[in-house]
Amino acid sequence: NAGVTQTPKFQVLKTGQSMTLQCAQDMNHEYMSWYRQDPGMGLRLIHYSVGAGITDQGEVPNGYNVSRSTTEDFPLRLLSAAPSQTSVYFCASSRGPGVGFYEQYFGPGTRLTVT
Amino acid sequence: TQLLEQSPQFLSIQEGENLTVYCNSSSVFSSLQWYRQEPGEGPVLLVTVVTGGEVKKLKRLTFQFGDARKDSSLHITAAQTGDTGLYLCSKAAGNKLTFGGGTRVLVKP
Repeated sequence: NAGVTQTPKFQVLKTGQSMTLQCAQDMNHEYMSWYRQDPGMGLRLIHYSVGAGITDQGEVPNGYNVSRSTTEDFPLRLLSAAPSQTSVYFCASSRGPGVGFYEQYFGPGTRLTVT
Repeated sequence: TQLLEQSPQFLSIQEGENLTVYCNSSSVFSSLQWYRQEPGEGPVLLVTVVTGGEVKKLKRLTFQFGDARKDSSLHITAAQTGDTGLYLCSKAAGNKLTFGGGTRVLVKP
């Protein structure tokens, strides 16, 4: 099992550019989420999904879009990159509400720099 | 706004010493998770605590859930350099899983 995979590992964007961060999991998990982590801080929830076709906003959703067309994939789109979006982005998955809901498996992260 | 407060923010100790880090909330939570994150990697789950007053041990790590289920602590006995990392606590608020700011632990040889 690959677990949770994220691509790319590193990315540099210019202000105003758009891009999609990819996330996939092969554990048949219902719940998937995106976090950003800034220096010296914990993880802040951007968007999450409780199943295919269902997404919702987290703490810091502005400037980001998500969709969940399959159980496996949960891409994060930056619409118009800004320097404030420079961060490390983590995707995570878990079994979904019920047993194991709280126990998340994380991908290795995408380090994004916006100049 | 952080729903979970972790303290201290940073802790530096010598190998062999003991340490305790804390996670506190103003509201009751049904369960709490502790994760460890090493540099350049994603967080890895260490333990879930569910019952007020619960104590769980994972080798040299002892996790305690407060009786009122508003706080938790992680105690490391005889720390090793491999314990270096960012320790994060997490709880659920509805369908949202949120994290504290973390405690960065540095164990020096």
